[in-house]
Amino acid sequence: DIQMTQSPSSVSASVGDGVTITCRASQDINNWLAWYQQRPGKAPKLLISGASILETGVPSRFSGSRSGTDFTLAISSLQPEDFATYFCQQSNTFPFTFGPGTTVDIK
Amino acid sequence: QVQLQESGPRLVKPSETLSLTCTVSGGSISSDSYYWGWLRQPPGKGLEWIATVYYSGTTYYNPSLESRASISIDTSKGQFSLRLSSVAAADTAVYYCARQRVQCSSCMDYWGPGTLLTVSS
Repeated sequence: DIQMTQSPSSVSASVGDGVTITCRASQDINNWLAWYQQRPGKAPKLLISGASILETGVPSRFSGSRSGTDFTLAISSLQPEDFATYFCQQSNTFPFTFGPGTTVDIK
Repeated sequence: QVQLQESGPRLVKPSETLSLTCTVSGGSISSDSYYWGWLRQPPGKGLEWIATVYYSGTTYYNPSLESRASISIDTSKGQFSLRLSSVAAADTAVYYCARQRVQCSSCMDYWGPGTLLTVSS
């Protein structure tokens, strides 16, 4: 199975701050990396697919990028609704696997 | 707007078989642009993909669960289902159904709200 790691596991930030989350795949997954946001008690929401393609309706302060097997989710200016847990997921190879998540909480 | 809704029992006894159904509305389950999948999330933990089915009936399973899981689709009813046999406490989780878009290699673009399934005697 392809292992997905994320760092940091948690980050404390203030409204207006920028945050960067990194996801690393244990082997090449091409661009088949998605980012999800999950608020407490809710289902995950797809933010980005194909490593950098923003889903319709997702604010432009979210962006994704790739460098080899390292992927980054950046939030340029945190808003109150952005405090949540973020997961990455690879869909290049079965079984699909997720990173352990990064919690963004309020400082 | 596509909506997915999980249904099934909330409590299952150890060694029994759990059965969950996902009803899709607002879109066609027979579209060749999507797969349909089940995932789960134990309380306070991460996400695990269980299985995926295509409208044609083609199925894909997580090897860690393949011996116990069975996914099926009923296009006439707009539903797909999951059966998981010989459940144990470790199967306690929120179970989600999701639509998976072919265009992004099965990224999960719509999710049901999830249903908490508890395995306990």
